[in-house]
Amino acid sequence: QVQLVQSGAEVKKPGASVKVSCKASGYTFTSYGISWVRQAPGQGLEWMGWISAYNGNTNYAQKLQGRVTMTTDTSTSTAYMELRSLRSDDTAVYYCARDGPRWSPSGPGMDVWGQGTTVTVSS
Amino acid sequence: DVVMTQSPLSLPVTLGQPASISCRSSQSLVYSDGNTYLNWFQQRPGQSPRRLIYKVSNRDSGVPDRFSGSGSGTDFTLKISRVEAEDVGVYYCMQGTHWSGYTFGQGTKLEIK
Repeated sequence: QVQLVQSGAEVKKPGASVKVSCKASGYTFTSYGISWVRQAPGQGLEWMGWISAYNGNTNYAQKLQGRVTMTTDTSTSTAYMELRSLRSDDTAVYYCARDGPRWSPSGPGMDVWGQGTTVTVSS
Repeated sequence: DVVMTQSPLSLPVTLGQPASISCRSSQSLVYSDGNTYLNWFQQRPGQSPRRLIYKVSNRDSGVPDRFSGSGSGTDFTLKISRVEAEDVGVYYCMQGTHWSGYTFGQGTKLEIK
C-alpha cells in the first residue's frame, strides 16, 4: 500500500539545524511531489513548501525562505526537509505528504500523509 | 498570500444531525485551466490529517458519502449529512490554486454535543 514513513523525534537547541526524512513506498516516487506541513502545539496546519520528486523543483513558503531546504533521493524514494537556525517557535509536528501534480485527476493537494515527526527546540 | 477564512471555528453537533462548515478565500480559486483546487481535510485527535475532498466536490477513496463539498469562486462549504462519533476532529480547507503557496483555513473543531 502507499505509505510515507518519517524519521523519529528530534530535540534541538536554538540556532541548530534539523533534517527530517520521509521514505515513500507503494507508488512511483517520481510521479508525484512531496509537500511539507507543520503543526505547532495546539495550532493549525501550516504549509512549508513543496518539491517535485521528478526534477527537484521547489516552492517554499515565503516566511521560511532562506531557512528551509527540501531535497529528494530518487534512488531510495526518500524526501528530506532541513530547517536551519531553529527557534523555539519552530517546535512542531512536521508532516510530509504526497502531492499530486496539477494535471493529475485530483490536482494539487496532499492525499497520503506521513505519521509526523515531533521537533522540539529548547535550550 | 491567499487568506482562507473558516466559520464557525467551533461546531458542537448532536449525533445524527447535519453539520456545515464554511470556507471563504480572499481571491478566486479558479485556476487558468478552469479547475478550482479547493481541498478539505479531517484531522482526528492524535492523527495525521486525511484528505476528504479535492477540487471542491470530489470525495477521496474510502470517504463516506455523508461528506459532501460544494461551492465556487471564493465561497465553499463542507457538509456532513448525519454526524457520527468518528467524525470528531478538526476540519481544514486548503487552496492549491495559487502558486504563491498553499494556504489552510484556521480549522473548525467539530465535537459531539
